[in-house]
Amino acid sequence: GNSVTQMEGPVTLSEEAFLTINCTYTATGYPSLFWYVQYPGEGLQLLLKATKADDKGSNKGFEATYRKETTSFHLEKGSVQVSDSAVYFCALIDDRGSTLGRLYFGRGTQLTVWP
Amino acid sequence: EPEVTQTPSHQVTQMGQEVILRCVPISNHLYFYWYRQILGQKVEFLVSFYNNEISEKSEIFDDQFSVERPDGSNFTLKIRSTKLEDSAMYFCASKENRDDYGYTFGSGTRLTVV
Repeated sequence: GNSVTQMEGPVTLSEEAFLTINCTYTATGYPSLFWYVQYPGEGLQLLLKATKADDKGSNKGFEATYRKETTSFHLEKGSVQVSDSAVYFCALIDDRGSTLGRLYFGRGTQLTVWP
Repeated sequence: EPEVTQTPSHQVTQMGQEVILRCVPISNHLYFYWYRQILGQKVEFLVSFYNNEISEKSEIFDDQFSVERPDGSNFTLKIRSTKLEDSAMYFCASKENRDDYGYTFGSGTRLTVV
């Protein structure tokens, strides 16, 4: 079946530290992979995506590379800011199995960045 | 920027009571979804809805659940007889096109069943 496993939180970092949040997946087909972010009091927002192996998604200084050989899509940022404090969700869509693009999510990782 | 609006933000209800969670999707979107997250667990798909009918539903979406688009703007999730284990954050989402990955999520309704 389809599932996403992501790093347990919470993650606490100082400003300008390097961030990695690990995400691995299992899928029956050829999934597209996503990172969503949820800031306090807001809905989930798409942060970045990758639709095929070796694609790199990037946005707002965050990057993630679709690694088919390790079934991973780790989120990285070279220098985090206080404003990056949020909950980050890894997710996939298995295009073959779903009629309208059902998302499979991980549990979310709470990131707190201190000044 | 257009938003998906969910009301209420927090609802407390007694076990066995019916609840209706409301969502106003973005006006030109055609595909609608409900997801939920029980505290500490994964965000789980409940149901997808298109052209006034359910397109797909998960094993969680049993006979206690129903969805409706009663007018041109609202999209509701009804839980007929709530159980303690229905306590969760419920997220509504919508998107414009079938193959579009650009879901817009609401900020959620926290349902607490006591």
